[in-house]
Amino acid sequence: GDSVTQMEGPVTLSEEAFLTINCTYTATGYPSLFWYVQYPGEGLQLLLKATKADDKGSNKGFEATYRKETTSFHLEKGSVQVSDSAVYFCALSEYTGGSNYKLTFGKGTLLTVNP
Amino acid sequence: GAVVSQHPSRVICKSGTSVKIECRSLDFQATTMFWYRQFPKQSLMLMATSNEGSKATYEQGVEKDKFLINHASLTLSTLTVTSAHPEDSSFYICSARLAGGPLTDTQYFGPGTRLTVL
Repeated sequence: GDSVTQMEGPVTLSEEAFLTINCTYTATGYPSLFWYVQYPGEGLQLLLKATKADDKGSNKGFEATYRKETTSFHLEKGSVQVSDSAVYFCALSEYTGGSNYKLTFGKGTLLTVNP
Repeated sequence: GAVVSQHPSRVICKSGTSVKIECRSLDFQATTMFWYRQFPKQSLMLMATSNEGSKATYEQGVEKDKFLINHASLTLSTLTVTSAHPEDSSFYICSARLAGGPLTDTQYFGPGTRLTVL
């Protein structure tokens, strides 16, 4: 089946540092790709998505580009803030027939940003 | 927009009792709702997919008689953990997918329910 591999954390950065969290995937079809963020004790929030090759998703200073040739969707931010501290999940959607899709998640990467 | 709520946010129960968790889409109708389980410091594990008005589809290894799912309307799905045991303690998260319009694969997540079984 489809799968998502994220770089293992934890990742610890100083405020205003550059962030990259790597994500690669394997899929039989042409999935949409997502980044979700989970703050402590909360559910997941959609951070950004891309639906086809070369699409760039962006939100709150975060960006990720759907690279079909390298099957990657790396998350980047030019200058992180303490409030960005959270767990980040890369995910892909897999069509399961009819009108149904299923999300497959990576294991998550814990980011801690220190002042 | 696209807000999903869960209730309760936290529940503690005795072993052998049943617990019901509600998942509601507040400002949209959801054709499909999903139930996930998350263990500490781990990723989300999909338990089941429920479509309004039909039986839920359970993932392999998930006991359908233990985790009862009801999706009675386009804005409400419930997960009932029957005869809960300490190993059922976990963080349960639901998500919903928009109904109508272009087919979309984006899911909107609830804030989660922390279940502790004593």
